[in-house]
Amino acid sequence: EPEVTQTPSHQVTQMGQEVILRCVPISNHLYFYWYRQILGQKVEFLVSFYNNEISEKSEIFDDQFSVERPDGSNFTLKIRSTKLEDSAMYFCASSESRGDTQYFGPGTRLTVL
Amino acid sequence: KNQVEQSPQSLIILEGKNCTLQCNYTVSPFSNLRWYKQDTGRGPVSLTIMTFSENTKSNGRYTATLDADTKQSSLHITASQLSDSASYICVVSAVSGTASKLTFGTGTRLQVTL
Repeated sequence: EPEVTQTPSHQVTQMGQEVILRCVPISNHLYFYWYRQILGQKVEFLVSFYNNEISEKSEIFDDQFSVERPDGSNFTLKIRSTKLEDSAMYFCASSESRGDTQYFGPGTRLTVL
Repeated sequence: KNQVEQSPQSLIILEGKNCTLQCNYTVSPFSNLRWYKQDTGRGPVSLTIMTFSENTKSNGRYTATLDADTKQSSLHITASQLSDSASYICVVSAVSGTASKLTFGTGTRLQVTL
């Protein structure tokens, strides 16, 4: 069964550094999403992406964040100048159409020191 | 502001017993409601999805109900197994324009014991 994959599984970085989290959505899916989950808290929506542009973003997704689909398969989340509070699990998800079930990847655990 | 509230926060049951998890939501415009299972350190996995017109949906030992009038949903798990130990998250979808935005509940942490 096709699945969403994410790399790396764990990223450790120093405060102020830039990180890029990578995702490979399911191949025939058109809608892509990033979520984050701070330890012990609920999953929070960050951004949705369709047709090579952001379709919606939350208040969390400020200028520090950007997303890109650099080729036909990858979907990336870039976090510039990381802060301690950016430490969280970051989940990528994809869906075939707008209201369809979103399939989640296994997540990337980001630790900012 | 869209919100999803779940209860109880955590639950411990004996293997083989049944349990029911609750979800209340205020999300607009409502599109659908999903229950996800999330194992520790893993991404959520969809169990059921229900639209406005559906009252009940089953997936094996999982049965979800939806009352769109009172904005409440429940997830009933029958004959629990040790592998059911996980967080169960109620997720409500609002669709507007080209986006489908999910609002997550805080989850119910279920532990099934011998």
